[in-house]
Amino acid sequence: DAGITQSPRHKVTETGTPVTLRCHQTENHRYMYWYRQDPGHGLRLIHYSYGVKDTDKGEVSDGYSVSRSKTEDFLLTLESATSSQTSVYFCAMGGQAWDGYTFGSGTRLTVV
Amino acid sequence: TQLLEQSPQFLSIQEGENLTVYCNSSSVFSSLQWYRQEPGEGPVLLVTVVTGGEVKKLKRLTFQFGDARKDSSLHITAAQPGDTGLYLCAGNGGKLIFGQGTELSVKP
Repeated sequence: DAGITQSPRHKVTETGTPVTLRCHQTENHRYMYWYRQDPGHGLRLIHYSYGVKDTDKGEVSDGYSVSRSKTEDFLLTLESATSSQTSVYFCAMGGQAWDGYTFGSGTRLTVV
Repeated sequence: TQLLEQSPQFLSIQEGENLTVYCNSSSVFSSLQWYRQEPGEGPVLLVTVVTGGEVKKLKRLTFQFGDARKDSSLHITAAQPGDTGLYLCAGNGGKLIFGQGTELSVKP
């Protein structure tokens, strides 16, 4: 059992359309994170959540929004997808930062 | 803004060789982590170092945290093809700040 799953694993969408990515965890972790990974940039934090309905922005939050209505689900929405948002998106869960994060397997998003 | 710089970004070596990957910052971190990522998967935590000067070993991998807690290194002895992957360092600045990664390829 992975403990954290992302859906979909792959998606192709058109410029200007809204897109929602889902992250689901079964570990009852308080903290959840959305990162994007691009060549040469490592992982960059988009948004994070520290509890139900408690979210905050990361370093690359423009064009993205998140929602967390239940502990187990953390949704990332691209309000109007652009080609610059073509990336691999990772969700992670964890306690405090020093405990380390557990990552999902990622969603590869292509915006055409 | 806290930044972590990893070097080298790419490393291609033969099986049996030794290598070192560096992770440097101008900022102090309360702890630093190393992750390994395989294609199509998310990063997996290898180790956390907390104390300045700390050294941890994981089989053929040796991790060191700098005395000033601004830098770290990962040394692999006698690399094997199974070590191939992307290695990421991450500093604890409240949330994890990641370096850009080192892509390691070990050829048989």
